[in-house]
Amino acid sequence: GAVVSQHPSWVICKSGTSVKIECRSLDFQATTMFWYRQFPKQSLMLMATSNEGSKATYEQGVEKDKFLINHASLTLSTLTVTSAHPEDSSFYICSARDLNTIYFGEGSWLTVV
Amino acid sequence: GIQVEQSPPDLILQEGANSTLRCNFSDSVNNLQWFHQNPWGQLINLFYIPSGTKQNGRLSATTVATERYSLLYISSSQTTDSGVYFCAVDGSNYGQNFVFGPGTRLSVLP
Repeated sequence: GAVVSQHPSWVICKSGTSVKIECRSLDFQATTMFWYRQFPKQSLMLMATSNEGSKATYEQGVEKDKFLINHASLTLSTLTVTSAHPEDSSFYICSARDLNTIYFGEGSWLTVV
Repeated sequence: GIQVEQSPPDLILQEGANSTLRCNFSDSVNNLQWFHQNPWGQLINLFYIPSGTKQNGRLSATTVATERYSLLYISSSQTTDSGVYFCAVDGSNYGQNFVFGPGTRLSVLP
């Protein structure tokens, strides 16, 4: 079964609103989780590294004020897309490391209309 | 930083055929994983294989760390094998996180 759970799987929101995506590690504690974005027919691009109890580390070019990341516990990280615009529509996926293996959530399809 | 290449970019197979997917990486790494992304976007971890050979059913993988490449073998392919196969390497030795290759898009026809 899944060891990393992501919710929601699908979300449609109106332009200008905010949407939150949750990522939970189910069978292990993850001090670090990762958020990726994937455009159609492209590979996964790391957006940020989420650190439990501290600020996230964002990759170059990723707007930290637009993509808010909170890692409040050892099993939960959230990504909030603020003031969403249609260009934010994408597939967002989280991952967490358990020892030497990386596990991914199911991913979230975001459509901004 | 570390560069990851995959070949071929696209592959079309008839059901029952075998295939080999390749991943090349530019520097030594501590971790390499193969993933399958199904048509619904879900990423499935196939192998954690920084070196050596592993097999799981119809799939097997070999990493030759000294030569900086890994191979994923799919035997007796099925339509459910369709999707994108990514290899990813751990770039933490170089100040990077997991770096994904561009993927190989596999279509298995009935």
